[in-house]
Amino acid sequence: DGGITQSPKYLFRKEGQNVTLSCEQNLNHDAMYWYRQDPGQGLRLIYYSQIVNDFQKGDIAEGYSVSREKKESFPLTVTSAQKNPTAFYLCASSTRQIATGNTIYFGEGSWLTVV
Amino acid sequence: AQKVTQAQTEISVVEKEDVTLDCVYETRDTTYYLFWYKQPPSGELVFLIRRNSFDEQNEISGRYSWNFQKSTSSFNFTITASQVVDSAVYFCALSEDPSNGRGADGLTFGKGTHLIIQP
Repeated sequence: DGGITQSPKYLFRKEGQNVTLSCEQNLNHDAMYWYRQDPGQGLRLIYYSQIVNDFQKGDIAEGYSVSREKKESFPLTVTSAQKNPTAFYLCASSTRQIATGNTIYFGEGSWLTVV
Repeated sequence: AQKVTQAQTEISVVEKEDVTLDCVYETRDTTYYLFWYKQPPSGELVFLIRRNSFDEQNEISGRYSWNFQKSTSSFNFTITASQVVDSAVYFCALSEDPSNGRGADGLTFGKGTHLIIQP
């Protein structure tokens, strides 16, 4: 099936540890994104990548890192520098074609809890 | 800077009632795109509709309809004859024109409206 796959669905991390969230898409989309969602809040952009081997910081990039070595993959690392990492993380992708209006499609999300 | 406001934090109605979710946006662009997404309890965001700034026609899809008014910078979403399965958090979002040269990307989201449909 075509879509965006995030793993793991649930992840627990001890304070001081880095953790990496996986995001894979088979939609042949050029652009990929990571959003963070806190309870009762909207989504906030962490990082985005418009093309392989290139990525840009979003609104809340501090304490996070990403890589884009392959078109279909955009992993997010939550580092120990992130002060409050417990949240719901959503990966997304889009075609970047102007005619499509940059419609962004989302994965099912990953819950990260720091214990 | 772009901004999306969903003033209604939570709405609760009885099944079969009509309900309207409000969305007000701010942008300096003349070309932009507006979206609505549904987030059921499972967490995934489901795309509902996209509207570009040059198309002010209202749209109807089954029990869903959208009212886009540039004069008031609003893009409201109405569910007619609501059902329990409509219970979810609904997000309104705004995207700039990817060709505007500013290099910005991604969507700006409102904080969402939690819709509760009671049986």
